[in-house]
Amino acid sequence: QSALTQPASVSGSPGQSITISCTGTSSDVGAYNYVSWYQQHPGKAPKLMIYDVSKRPSGVSNRFSGSKSGNAASLTISGLQAEDEADYYCGSYTSSSTHVFGTGTKVTVL
Amino acid sequence: EVQLVESGGGLVQPGGSLRLSCAASGFTFSSYWMHWVRQAPGKGLVWVSRINSDGGSTSYADSVKGRFTISRDNAKNTLYLQMNSLRAEDTAVYYCARQLSTETPGLGYWGQGTLVTVSS
Repeated sequence: QSALTQPASVSGSPGQSITISCTGTSSDVGAYNYVSWYQQHPGKAPKLMIYDVSKRPSGVSNRFSGSKSGNAASLTISGLQAEDEADYYCGSYTSSSTHVFGTGTKVTVL
Repeated sequence: EVQLVESGGGLVQPGGSLRLSCAASGFTFSSYWMHWVRQAPGKGLVWVSRINSDGGSTSYADSVKGRFTISRDNAKNTLYLQMNSLRAEDTAVYYCARQLSTETPGLGYWGQGTLVTVSS
């Protein structure tokens, strides 16, 4: 049950697009289309931004999009805004019927 | 409105026990799988455990297997986490979470968390 691998930090200027990668294995990310992405602001509970690889919950901006190829997934934030500055975590269901989160990525809006 | 409210956190000595509760409201509790997720101070999210809708199936992270027990009381709309043989590395904020729907494992609803501190 090793954590999925994410870059420690990603930054971008307002209006730009950024992409966060999430690398797993054939037992988690590659096994099912059950990758999720969570946003967490300091001192707050995580918020689901993307589920089932590319679906957005009601109320989540369409500036957030997800994709997957093989054992790797990615989250793209387009039209970066100051409020997007937060920590982001990927998550995946696994073939062992457990879940695993990524190592987390700090997004900085320059 | 979906609400999840954790309680039961606090300071406990190494080797001690603690039971966390998560009171659910605003939805049909007995229809959803539920999870516990923890976050050590300044660290990332770590999945801990999950239980299916009727409590008949559970799953645990290797780090807590044999020490923690997840359970639920659907009549009381409450999720539990019994934590035994606690270690310093179990210190974290513990969140309960509900899957967004019955058809996806994405965790769409989270409580505010309860802090567990394991220290002598």
